[in-house]
Amino acid sequence: IAGITQAPTSQILAAGRRMTLRCTQDMRHNAMYWYRQDLGLGLRLIHYSNTAGTTGKGEVPDGYSVSRANTDDFPLTLASAVPSQTSVYFCASSLLAGQGNEQFFGPGTRLTVL
Amino acid sequence: AQSVSQHNHHVILSEAASLELGCNYSYGGTVNLFWYVQYPGQHLQLLLKYFSGDPLVKGIKGFEAEFIKSKFSFNLRKPSVQWSDTAEYFCAVNQGKLIFGQGTTLQVKP
Repeated sequence: IAGITQAPTSQILAAGRRMTLRCTQDMRHNAMYWYRQDLGLGLRLIHYSNTAGTTGKGEVPDGYSVSRANTDDFPLTLASAVPSQTSVYFCASSLLAGQGNEQFFGPGTRLTVL
Repeated sequence: AQSVSQHNHHVILSEAASLELGCNYSYGGTVNLFWYVQYPGQHLQLLLKYFSGDPLVKGIKGFEAEFIKSKFSFNLRKPSVQWSDTAEYFCAVNQGKLIFGQGTTLQVKP
């Protein structure tokens, strides 16, 4: 089934632990994104990748890192989780980077940091 | 910096009532505008989008939005809501990167 998959669906994590959220798309999209969704704040861009091998910082990148070794995968890593990173994380992709491209979203990962 | 503002944070309507959700953005140049919907427990889905041309855009499920450049607005409308429209609605502007509004929670009472 074409689309974006994210894993895990949800996770409870102790503060200070390392965690990687996985995202895979099979649409051969060039651009991928990570957002966090918080009540009253909408979705905020964490990191993005315009094409495989490149990444960039979004609006709220601190405490997160990403890699884009290939077209399909775009993992998000929390090196040392803190409670303020409790959120719902959405991965998205678009055919190309840039203004006129519709983004498609994954089902999300609900992360709780205690 | 570019920002998107949604005026209504929580809207409660009865079925068959008309809906209008406000969205204003701050950038004065060329923008692409989107409305996304997130049904309970689901991921974001595109409702409609405006790139150019006719400023009145029709989307899925009877939704429409009007782009008014002079007002920097892209309000979402539906003449008659249904219980199944209960969801969170996000306005977004794409200026290279997608900037979202805070979201509006719509609750439709049967």
